[in-house]
Amino acid sequence: NAGVMQNPRHLVRRRGQEARLRCSPMKGHSHVYWYRQLPEEGLKFMVYLQKENIIDESGMPKERFSAEFPKEGPSILRIQQVVRGDSAAYFCASSHTSVGNEQFFGPGTRLTVL
Amino acid sequence: QKEVEQDPGPLSVPEGAIVSLNCTYSNSAFQYFMWYRQYSRKGPELLMYTYSSGNKEDGRFTAQVDKSSKYISLFIRDSQPSDSATYLCAMFSNTGNQFYFGTGTSLTVIP
Repeated sequence: NAGVMQNPRHLVRRRGQEARLRCSPMKGHSHVYWYRQLPEEGLKFMVYLQKENIIDESGMPKERFSAEFPKEGPSILRIQQVVRGDSAAYFCASSHTSVGNEQFFGPGTRLTVL
Repeated sequence: QKEVEQDPGPLSVPEGAIVSLNCTYSNSAFQYFMWYRQYSRKGPELLMYTYSSGNKEDGRFTAQVDKSSKYISLFIRDSQPSDSATYLCAMFSNTGNQFYFGTGTSLTVIP
């Protein structure tokens, strides 16, 4: 039973380019969460999605960031026109149900913006 | 005031010691409390999951929740070098969708 999969594991982009981060939840999980982690900081919630729906995007920057979780395929976190401040580790987690259920994390994507 | 406060450490202990890790929180609506372990450059791994107040034990790990004091703890008995990692507390309430994480405590167990 594969865990949460994320790819790529490492991503390097130049300022102004687009970054696409992918997350495949655990089998049977229909709830996906994206977090950002900066050095010396904890995990910061970005967005919570169910299949084809954004449930809570209160942690997402208003501009340049978007997320989706289509009916088929992985969840995508998209960052347009990346800036150096976007450099961080981005983690995806999935859960079976939403209310108080354990979240299981993927290995993360480390984004470096040059 | 942050939702969740956690001493970042670093904490260094000899092998075999008992380790105590703690978090405080401000939101009395939190009902679900978790501890995650994160090795360097890896994703967080769920260690303990508790609901409401009380204790929960799993092998060498014991989680305690004191809702009256808004204080949670993770105890590690007979600590091992393989326990060296960052430990993150996390909390959740039924009224929201977010998990709130502490900043993590860095632990090193010295052989």
